[in-house]
Amino acid sequence: GAGVSQSPRYKVAKRGQDVALRCDPISGHVSLFWYQQALGQGPEFLTYFQNEAQLDKSGLPSDRFFAERPEGSVSTLKIQRTQQEDSAVYLCASTSGLPNGGELFFGEGSRLTVL
Amino acid sequence: SQKIEQNSEALNIQEGKTATLTCNYTNYSPAYLQWYRQDPGRGPVFLLLIRENEKEKRKERLKVTFDTTLKQSLFHITASQPADSATYLCAPGRVDTGRRALTFGSGTRLQVQP
Repeated sequence: GAGVSQSPRYKVAKRGQDVALRCDPISGHVSLFWYQQALGQGPEFLTYFQNEAQLDKSGLPSDRFFAERPEGSVSTLKIQRTQQEDSAVYLCASTSGLPNGGELFFGEGSRLTVL
Repeated sequence: SQKIEQNSEALNIQEGKTATLTCNYTNYSPAYLQWYRQDPGRGPVFLLLIRENEKEKRKERLKVTFDTTLKQSLFHITASQPADSATYLCAPGRVDTGRRALTFGSGTRLQVQP
């Protein structure tokens, strides 16, 4: 596609529900990142993939958060047993090659509200 | 721990003036620094990259400086326009074997008054 596509754009979940957020990166981009952005804050790193390999998941806040990219293209961020503090915008970004100064291309984000 | 500081207060300026945004970092030795623009409800959009061996970078009305001694980057928008109103994020980056992901500051909101 022309850009990074994320779905859903908006998700409302009841506390305790599981959610899955999808990211479709720019075709051919090797590197894919997930960020979490709280209101009024900058994006906070969650996890990084190079192709299908998850090379860094140090930013995932708890074991309720899980990300995968099984075929090195589309990625899914799953949050189990959602809590109110999980409410945020989840941003996906991709870049070609290794992240070595290359610009990140962001999607529009998925806004999660946990009631 | 690594820390990136951007003015949390909004910057209000008059159209036509130069806007200057500051990004300070500590406990950090980035090899490069990127600036992004973010509009409400949208993802960040890349603007400029400056490397540690570059003092200054320009792109149209934008200018970025990078002082590794002061551990500071300045982002200037000359002849500012209301359309420049947005939040601007700085992101120092590393290329060593450590984390490859960019770490972002909290951003500074710029409001250009017509």
